[in-house]
Amino acid sequence: EPEVTQTPSHQVTQMGQEVILRCVPISNHLYFYWYRQILGQKVEFLVSFYNNEISEKSEIFDDQFSVERPDGSNFTLKIRSTKLEDSAMYFCASRVAGTRAIGEQYFGPGTRLTVT
Amino acid sequence: QQQVKQSPQSLIVQKGGISIINCAYENTAFDYFPWYQQFPGKGPALLIAIRPDVSEKKEGRFTISFNKSAKQFSLHIMDSQPGDSATYFCAASVQGYSSASKIIFGSGTRLSIRP
Repeated sequence: EPEVTQTPSHQVTQMGQEVILRCVPISNHLYFYWYRQILGQKVEFLVSFYNNEISEKSEIFDDQFSVERPDGSNFTLKIRSTKLEDSAMYFCASRVAGTRAIGEQYFGPGTRLTVT
Repeated sequence: QQQVKQSPQSLIVQKGGISIINCAYENTAFDYFPWYQQFPGKGPALLIAIRPDVSEKKEGRFTISFNKSAKQFSLHIMDSQPGDSATYFCAASVQGYSSASKIIFGSGTRLSIRP
């Protein structure tokens, strides 16, 4: 069964450093998402991406964040200058597009980001 | 208006019992209500989902009950098993051809099934 993959599984970085989290969505999916989950809290939407542009972003997704689809398979989240409060689990998700009947978003296993 | 409120925060059920988790929403534009199951260290996995044009959906031991007028929906797990022990998130989304369809998650319920 196809699945969303994410690398690395765990990233430790120092405050102020740049990090790039990588995701390979399911191959025939066209919508891509990043969510985050601070330890013990709910999953929060960060950004959605479709047709090579951001379609929606939350207030969390400020100028320190960016997303990119550098090739036909990868989808990345970059945090330019990490802060302690960026420590969280980051999940990539993807879904097909075009028909109202298909709403499921499939989540990857996550990248645990620890900022020290 | 974008919130989905979930209760209880944690739940302990005896093996074989019925687990019930409740959620409520405000935004009447929501038209897709999934439930996600999450095991420690893993991503959320879609368990079951419902649209507001039906009042109930059943898949195996899992049933969603939906009350559109009350803007409430619930997950029932029948014959609960120790393997069901996980965190459950209710969620809501606005679907549509052009919508980004972000998912708004509830706060989660940590379910423990006692053997």
